[in-house]
Amino acid sequence: GQNIDQPTEMTATEGAIVQINCTYQTSGFNGLFWYQQHAGEAPTFLSYNVLDGLEEKGRFSSFLSRSKGYSYLLLKELQMKDSASYLCAVRDRGDYKLSFGAGTTVTVRA
Amino acid sequence: GAVVSQHPSRVICKSGTSVKIECRSLDFQATTMFWYRQFPKKSLMLMATSNEGSKATYEQGVEKDKFLINHASLTLSTLTVTSAHPEDSSFYICSARRLSGTGGGDTQYFGPGTRLTVL
Repeated sequence: GQNIDQPTEMTATEGAIVQINCTYQTSGFNGLFWYQQHAGEAPTFLSYNVLDGLEEKGRFSSFLSRSKGYSYLLLKELQMKDSASYLCAVRDRGDYKLSFGAGTTVTVRA
Repeated sequence: GAVVSQHPSRVICKSGTSVKIECRSLDFQATTMFWYRQFPKKSLMLMATSNEGSKATYEQGVEKDKFLINHASLTLSTLTVTSAHPEDSSFYICSARRLSGTGGGDTQYFGPGTRLTVL
């Protein structure tokens, strides 16, 4: 199984940078995903890491260290619309199922 | 990008009735779809894995006779909540596994969710 931890809440100012950490313990690892979820909506895919290192996609970047069981999602140039819950999910090697963390609610203030 | 639809988006039903939720992958074929349940301000809990042409695989604690899953084609999976009760009220979300694409080669794309309220 998977044990995935991420902070419950974070607050930041518009235009700033926020880093959301995710640690995991897994019996089998086949990739780590970050999803964004606005209230009452389904998650939308943000990023995928399977090898160590940084993946950059515009204002969003995601980092993975497999040896440390650690990932972070970096949100730059924060906008009000970035206020949402950010879910860290680990995929199991055997059956491709995703296990989700509880999510980090990010609030962007003007 | 990959598109997954769900229908209905919102349903209210009486206790004891059954409700069917459809999940469709619109622009790709999905041999595997997943059904999740989410309570307010909680994360997604996987209920079952739906495989095209075979029986669904249920997670521990999920009643397979209550949550019937049918994956009849490569683009459609259905979840039927049988004899629904108020405690079944929740946000149900499906996802479809896409084997290749911009999402890292193998990514789950989520439907918009179905809000079920059982009175």
